[in-house]
Order: sequence, then C-alpha cells, then structure tokens
Amino acid sequence: AQRVTQPEKLLSVFKGAPVELKCNYSYSGSPELFWYVQYSRQRLQLLLRHISRESIKGFTADLNKGETSFHLKKPFAQEEDSAMYYCALSPGGSTLGRLYFGRGTQLTVWP
Amino acid sequence: KAGVTQTPRYLIKTRGQQVTLSCSPISGHRSVSWYQQTPGQGLQFLFEYFSETQRNKGNFPGRFSGRQFSNSRSEMNVSTLELGDSALYLCASSFGPGQPQHFGDGTRLSIL
Repeated sequence: AQRVTQPEKLLSVFKGAPVELKCNYSYSGSPELFWYVQYSRQRLQLLLRHISRESIKGFTADLNKGETSFHLKKPFAQEEDSAMYYCALSPGGSTLGRLYFGRGTQLTVWP
Repeated sequence: KAGVTQTPRYLIKTRGQQVTLSCSPISGHRSVSWYQQTPGQGLQFLFEYFSETQRNKGNFPGRFSGRQFSNSRSEMNVSTLELGDSALYLCASSFGPGQPQHFGDGTRLSIL
C-alpha cells in the first residue's frame, strides 16, 4: 500500500542555516512526488513536483528511488519559510489523480 | 484568475443530518478532488472527478458521495452525519488527472 512518512512533526532552524525536511515513501511502482506548503492563514499550495526538477523559493527536492525518499532542502533558510510542509505521492495508472499525503512538518525559522 | 472556491466556509450540523458542500474549480480545470483533513488522520483522499465521471474513490463509507457537473463544478454530500465527520473538507482542481492540484480554503464542518 502507498504510504508517505514525514518523520519530523516539528523542525526549527535559525535564519541562514540549511534546512532539510525529510520525506520517505512506500510504493512499488513509479510515483509522482510533490511538496505542498501552507503558510499561516493561507491555503495549501504546490511548492515542487519532482518531474519539474526546478528550484522554487530556493527549495529543491531530489527523488531517490533507491532510498524511496524525496527530501526537501534549502541551503539558507529565511523567516518567511516558516510554514507547514506536506509531502505527497501520486501513484500512476488509474489512480493518477489521487494524492497520498504525509502528516506534515511544521518548520519554524528563528531570526 | 480566480482560485478554487469552496462554499460554505463554515457549517454546523447535528448528528443524523446531511450536508452538501460545493466546489468551483479554477476556470479551465476539469478535474476535481476532495480531501478530508482531521488532526487524527491528516489529509485523506475522498474522491476524484474528471469530466463528470468519478475516477477514484478513497476508503470512506457510502455516506460520502459526490458529483461533478458539466461546468466542472463539484458537490460532495455526506448523509447521516456522525461526530467523527467533523473536519476540514478540501477541494482541489487541476487541468486533468496527474496535473498539479490547486486547493481551495476548505469548508470547516462541525457536528454537534
């Protein structure tokens, strides 16, 4: 069965420090992976998708199929990065549009 | 362009009643998905519609149903409400299955 695990419920770093939000998944096929972010009092919004291989707001994420991980990284955290981050998986085939979410990691960046 | 719009934003019902939630997708989007968010279970997939057809359904009882209209707007219905149905219900739209999903603000349903 598909499962997305975000081992850290809370993560705190100081401004300018590197940050890594972990995401591990279990799925036997080739999934599509996403990172969603929810800033305070805002709606959930897409941050990254692995097939885009782009950097958004300084964040990058690499899909490691061997370790079944999709960790989100940023070399220098900013205070405005404080938010709730969700990792999500979409299986292929007939369930392509269905997202499986992790429980989320609340990131706090201290000044 | 306007984002995904969900109405109403808040709803209070009592056990045994039924409720209908509405979702208007982003213009041009034909796929609509629904999710339930609770502190205990997190974000869970309810169902997905594309071109008025249900493509996928999550592991929820038959009391949870939905539909999509020809203009892509979607409704979900929950009958015989239970206390455990209290949650934030999120709708997301996309151009099609597998495309990035854009979320609405959600409908907060409280069951008394």
